[in-house]
Amino acid sequence: GAGVSQSPSNKVTEKGKDVELRCDPISGHTALYWYRQRLGQGLEFLIYFQGNSAPDKSGLPSDRFSAERTGESVSTLTIQRTQQEDSAVYLCASSPHAGRGTQYFGPGTRLLVL
Amino acid sequence: GENVEQHPSTLSVQEGDSAVIKCTYSDSASNYFPWYKQELGKRPQLIIDIRSNVGEKKDQRIAVTLNKTAKHFSLHITETQPEDSAVYFCAASTNAGNMLTFGGGTRLMVKP
Repeated sequence: GAGVSQSPSNKVTEKGKDVELRCDPISGHTALYWYRQRLGQGLEFLIYFQGNSAPDKSGLPSDRFSAERTGESVSTLTIQRTQQEDSAVYLCASSPHAGRGTQYFGPGTRLLVL
Repeated sequence: GENVEQHPSTLSVQEGDSAVIKCTYSDSASNYFPWYKQELGKRPQLIIDIRSNVGEKKDQRIAVTLNKTAKHFSLHITETQPEDSAVYFCAASTNAGNMLTFGGGTRLMVKP
């Protein structure tokens, strides 16, 4: 079946602008995660959603970052007033249920803030 | 919170040799340890994982070992092939579906 998809694949924006990144998880997966990967580095956890529970936002680096999820489907990650240090690949993953199951990653959105 | 250290950061081996990548973690509550392979410009792909109730797991040329007492785990790739060249990430979490804390990655280069 279809894997995790993300859009856009690439985004170039100017410093100070807001951006919205989208993630479509695998159908039926109740858990959804956002990670950030800076060039040549590992993945940093940002936020995760499990069903209708309150999201775990402990990884969000500042209040400019927020995310929403509609039920158990699409999620959007919003970065307000982007800064150059926000440039990175933003990866989304989903798993069947938090507490069990592999996390499957999407292809990522490559964000460049000029 | 959890901290995962990974070594080496780069590893170059000759085709057919073995490669070993090591990770340490800090949170004794962690009990799930996956390994991901990421080719250039591609998404991370799970290659093997291990839970804390076992000490070793093998899948063809790939094996992972876990030492809970010492809080370290390792990836072993035998009979390496050029297509094994990629960046490998270890990770840890307190449960299979919880958020993952990743190591910094190891760039493996297999020379033909």
